[in-house]
Amino acid sequence: DAGVIQSPRHEVTEMGQEVTLRCKPISGHDYLFWYRQTMMRGLELLIYFNNNVPIDDSGMPEDRFSAKMPNASFSTLKIQPSEPRDSAVYFCASSRDYNEQFFGPGTRLTVL
Amino acid sequence: AQSVAQPEDQVNVAEGNPLTVKCTYSVSGNPYLFWYVQYPNRGLQFLLKYITGDNLVKGSYGFEAEFNKSQTSFHLKKPSALVSDSALYFCAVRDPGFQKLVFGTGTRLLVSP
Repeated sequence: DAGVIQSPRHEVTEMGQEVTLRCKPISGHDYLFWYRQTMMRGLELLIYFNNNVPIDDSGMPEDRFSAKMPNASFSTLKIQPSEPRDSAVYFCASSRDYNEQFFGPGTRLTVL
Repeated sequence: AQSVAQPEDQVNVAEGNPLTVKCTYSVSGNPYLFWYVQYPNRGLQFLLKYITGDNLVKGSYGFEAEFNKSQTSFHLKKPSALVSDSALYFCAVRDPGFQKLVFGTGTRLLVSP
């Protein structure tokens, strides 16, 4: 298996633009997690899905953030409109049983 | 609420010496405990976990961790450090009653030649 795949790996955009991050989990994994990592706040769980259904989105910072999982092999995290404080590395992770999580390489987002 | 603390921002050790990275936790029930490692510009990688059973857990790359219920600790250890072990290490805990992991703030390990 290729592991968790994320795209793009790097994204530079201007404030106010829409940003869409993509994730392909490992086949057969029922759980998918979106995290954000910054120097100031460390690693934060934004939202997670079980069998494509959002279970806990309490970590989503505000309404500008939304996440979807239309099928078992694809998820998106969207920020609209983006702001400079959204600059971070965003990780997607998947797991079979919400214990051992497998992380993707991350998307480094820079909002100017 | 579940929480985990990593009291050291950085640990320095010479190659060949033993290393310890500390972690303490707080959960309402019996904890599920994990260690992950992050190399520069990479995602986190799973090292080891404690769910139940033997308090000493062995994981990848020669790492091990000891679960100590009375001290609510789960310290990561390795008998002989390598320069290539230099990375950011995260401890995480899950309360069995909840489905999400809570990660610590991370400890940077620097192994000098």
